[in-house]
Amino acid sequence: KAGVTQTPRYLIKTRGQQVTLSCSPISGHRSVSWYQQTPGQGLQFLFEYFSETQRNKGNFPGRFSGRQFSNSRSEMNVSTLELGDSALYLCASSRGQGENYGYTFGSGTRLTVV
Amino acid sequence: KQEVTQIPAALSVPEGENLVLNCSFTDSAIYNLQWFRQDPGKGLTSLLLIQSSQREQTSGRLNASLDKSSGRSTLYIAASQPGDSATYLCAVKTRMDSSYKLIFGSGTRLLVRP
Repeated sequence: KAGVTQTPRYLIKTRGQQVTLSCSPISGHRSVSWYQQTPGQGLQFLFEYFSETQRNKGNFPGRFSGRQFSNSRSEMNVSTLELGDSALYLCASSRGQGENYGYTFGSGTRLTVV
Repeated sequence: KQEVTQIPAALSVPEGENLVLNCSFTDSAIYNLQWFRQDPGKGLTSLLLIQSSQREQTSGRLNASLDKSSGRSTLYIAASQPGDSATYLCAVKTRMDSSYKLIFGSGTRLLVRP
């Protein structure tokens, strides 16, 4: 059974550029969430998508956006990159909601902004 | 506002020792609690999921307990091995408007010395 797949694994971008990260959830999982991990802030919730709809967004500026496709694959986009956007971006998928369902994470995309 | 705290921040033990990692949360209105393991530069691996109605879960040498009323969870690792060296994160699943999200502790960095 394939896990959560994130591409690319590593990215180096220049300030001001934009970047798109991709996440393929486990087959049958309709919920996809994104988290940002930095040494200073730890793991922080970015947004969650369910059935192609953004259900919620964390406390991040509008430069951070995303979408989910009909096959549940998700992309997140960061525009006008800043040095502080350097982080490990993790995607998680879940089969459902409520107490019975946990999250499975991908290996992450390491973004470095120079 | 839900806050998750993990103590200690770092722990070094000799191989073979039994150990306990602690996690506390401020709001008992959680749906479940997950313990994850993270190796350096990698994604999160789910270890155990405890539903809010459960008191403990076991997997191999790992046992996790949950006391919602006191806002505490513990992860017990029996007969520790060098391969257990990693950062251990606990996360509570909380409701956020129409969806859910995980709130993470800052982790306990474990080193098991041969």
